[in-house]
Amino acid sequence: ETGVTQTPRHLVMGMTNKKSLKCEQHLGHNAMYWYKQSAKKPLELMFVYNFKEQTENNSVPSRFSPECPNSSHLFLHLHTLQPEDSALYLCASSQDAVRGYTFGSGTRLTVV
Amino acid sequence: GESVGLHLPTLSVQEGDNSIINCAYSNSASDYFIWYKQESGKGPQFIIDIRSNMDKRQGQRVTVLLNKTVKHLSLQIAATQPGDSAVYFCAEVQGGGKLIFGQGTELSVKP
Repeated sequence: ETGVTQTPRHLVMGMTNKKSLKCEQHLGHNAMYWYKQSAKKPLELMFVYNFKEQTENNSVPSRFSPECPNSSHLFLHLHTLQPEDSALYLCASSQDAVRGYTFGSGTRLTVV
Repeated sequence: GESVGLHLPTLSVQEGDNSIINCAYSNSASDYFIWYKQESGKGPQFIIDIRSNMDKRQGQRVTVLLNKTVKHLSLQIAATQPGDSAVYFCAEVQGGGKLIFGQGTELSVKP
């Protein structure tokens, strides 16, 4: 356990479904991140939150909607996804990136 | 554009041998680099980092070398063990603490 917990670990959803991914950190960090990891591709930064405020949206389609109610929790709301959105979604947190990020174990998402 | 990339996608070594994983970066202004290890079913885990004012940094069985002249990073693992089998990523820390990752190298350790 790294201190960053993601749920669920696995998710299968249809293209018309709405689901949410959850991330929680107990490290006292002030920044949280969503990354997408597809097979044979580098980790792609999606969203950055600092002190609950979104500071970066890396040209992510609107079918992905993040929410950060407080510095410890981060959600990724999903709706009308496409099969190419199937990937491992990783959450991370950091304290000013002094020592890089602490990652969760990810949610393996399959869109059918 | 900025990019961080790895030279080889896969590396196979014999248990007990040393492993060397390479990484090239393109942003000469970057001053902080990190190596991560990702095991199957887990998120990336911090291994070691290095700042641009250093050429070398050693940890437990791991050494990172930084050559700023050619914008090259390497991760050396001494006496590679089966538990070292994983995908290794280098990452470059940009402004605002944003991490940019390379493609990754999959290390396989043969018994």
